[in-house]
Amino acid sequence: NAGVTQTPKFRVLKTGQSMTLLCAQDMNHEYMYWYRQDPGMGLRLIHYSVGEGTTAKGEVPDGYNVSRLKKQNFLLGLESAAPSQTSVYFCASSPPGGLGGNEQFFGPGTRLTVL
Amino acid sequence: SQKIEQNSEALNIQEGKTATLTCNYTNYSPAYLQWYRQDPGRGPVFLLLIRENEKEKRKERLKVTFDTTLKQSLFHITASQPADSATYLCALARNTGGFKTIFGAGTRLFVKA
Repeated sequence: NAGVTQTPKFRVLKTGQSMTLLCAQDMNHEYMYWYRQDPGMGLRLIHYSVGEGTTAKGEVPDGYNVSRLKKQNFLLGLESAAPSQTSVYFCASSPPGGLGGNEQFFGPGTRLTVL
Repeated sequence: SQKIEQNSEALNIQEGKTATLTCNYTNYSPAYLQWYRQDPGRGPVFLLLIRENEKEKRKERLKVTFDTTLKQSLFHITASQPADSATYLCALARNTGGFKTIFGAGTRLFVKA
């Protein structure tokens, strides 16, 4: 089992460029999440999904879009990158049974820099 | 607004001693509290979960307490080892009123040999 994988690991963008971060999990989990982590701050939820074809906004959704076309994949898109989106992005998944009651499995992260 | 506070200062302890990390929260009523470990350049790894109706949970050298009156959780690592050096994150969640999981910024632990 690879667990949760993320691509790419690193990326540098110019302001206004777009990109998609890919997340895949092989644990057959229903729930998937995208977080950003900034220095001195806790992980902040961007968007999440409770199942294939469904998505919902988290704490900091502005400037991001997501899609969950397949159960094992969760994509995070930046349509027009801004320097404020420079961060480390983590994808996570968890089995059903409550969105907070189960452990979350995290990917290795994507370090994004927007110039 | 909801807030989680973890000691932003690093905790330095000697090998073999017990490390105690604190997680305080305000304006929140969590149903669950989780602790994660994060190593530099890596994603968090789940350690323990404790429910609001539980006072204490243990797993090997780890112990978590949860006091909903004080709005505080304590995370203990007994017989600490240099390999325990990492950042430890506290996370609070509930299932009512929509999805709500809040992570603390974490406390860095250094265990000296």
